[in-house]
Amino acid sequence: SQTIHQWPATLVQPVGSPLSLECTVEGTSNPNLYWYRQAAGRGLQLLFYSVGIGQISSEVPQNLSASRPQDRQFILSSKKLLLSDSGFYLCAWRVGGPGNTIYFGEGSWLTVV
Amino acid sequence: DQQVKQNSPSLSVQEGRISILNCDYTNSMFDYFLWYKKYPAEGPTFLISISSIKDKNEDGRFTVFLNKSAKHLSLHIVPSQPGDSAVYFCAADRNSGNTPLVFGKGTRLSVIA
Repeated sequence: SQTIHQWPATLVQPVGSPLSLECTVEGTSNPNLYWYRQAAGRGLQLLFYSVGIGQISSEVPQNLSASRPQDRQFILSSKKLLLSDSGFYLCAWRVGGPGNTIYFGEGSWLTVV
Repeated sequence: DQQVKQNSPSLSVQEGRISILNCDYTNSMFDYFLWYKKYPAEGPTFLISISSIKDKNEDGRFTVFLNKSAKHLSLHIVPSQPGDSAVYFCAADRNSGNTPLVFGKGTRLSVIA
């Protein structure tokens, strides 16, 4: 069966420090991968998605970036965190594109102090 | 521009009664709709979906109704149970290309015993 893991689960980082959140999917190949953020009152905001290795689409301008170095690995990064980057980050995947269910990871809490 | 709207941020229902969560969308290209349930500090889990060729889909206590002419869907939970207390997200999908799901801001359901 397919599983998705993301880490770390909780992170407290000072303003201006770098960020790396990692996500891996097991049990499937060539998934579409997504990074979402849940901030207070904002629902689930799509940040990035990827349909293949090295292919990244950005949905909102920000100081975050994403990379997909391997088929089942998706990384969310920042060179310098801002206070406004605090939130609950969710990695997700699906196979087959539209009409298929998206499955989410456990989430990562980021607090920028 | 918010394409998927959940206008009620919260809802309280007594145990055993019906919970009705509403969702409106603006993009007529959406043709597949999903509901997700989310507990605090966890990733959302898929609950139920409906294709635009249907107007109703039922799964146990959960039923989703779709009114395409009104661009409106609703999730009915009956009977409501305390374990149903969570944030519910409505999501919409287009059955073409690789565009990801578009989520609403969520409705927090509290089922009171």
